[in-house]
Amino acid sequence: NAGVTQTPKFQVLKTGQSMTLQCAQDMNHNSMYWYRQDPGMGLRLIYYSASEGTTDKGEVPNGYNVSRLNKREFSLRLESAAPSQTSVYFCASSESGWGYGYTFGSGTRLTVV
Amino acid sequence: KQEVTQIPAALSVPEGENLVLNCSFTDSAIYNLQWFRQDPGKGLTSLLLIQSSQREQTSGRLNASLDKSSGRSTLYIAASQPGDSATYLCAVKGGGTSYGKLTFGQGTILTVHP
Repeated sequence: NAGVTQTPKFQVLKTGQSMTLQCAQDMNHNSMYWYRQDPGMGLRLIYYSASEGTTDKGEVPNGYNVSRLNKREFSLRLESAAPSQTSVYFCASSESGWGYGYTFGSGTRLTVV
Repeated sequence: KQEVTQIPAALSVPEGENLVLNCSFTDSAIYNLQWFRQDPGKGLTSLLLIQSSQREQTSGRLNASLDKSSGRSTLYIAASQPGDSATYLCAVKGGGTSYGKLTFGQGTILTVHP
């Protein structure tokens, strides 16, 4: 049972380059989320998708775009990477409804030089 | 805006001790609270999920309590072991305008030495 799978695990980008972080879940969850984790800042929500076909901004959406490709997949795109986007990115999913917890992927460590 | 605070920021204990990690949140309109464990360079592993209507949850040596009205939760770890060394994160799932979204604390870094 894979849970939430993120690719790639590590990436180094030059300033101005673009890339897409991929996330897929096999638990048939409706909701998916992208977080970034930075020292001293904790985990902060970038974007989320409450259900297939919908996306909404979280706490720190600037510089990012997302696509909910289907129920399984939720991608995060950096159009023009900046050093401030150096971080560890986590994807998560949950079932809809108030009572459910989150399942997280293993993360993507991104460095922008 | 929901804010989650974890105390202490770091804790170092000898093996075998019982210990308590604390989590507080400012907005009591939550649906549930989840405790996670994060090992260095790894993802988040869910430990316990407490619904807003519950007072506590137990899993093995772990016990989590929730006092929603006072905005507090504790994670109790019995008979600590070196393998318990990790960062422990508390997260609340909000209601109202924060519907469905998790807000995290900064974490407690736990070191259990032999």
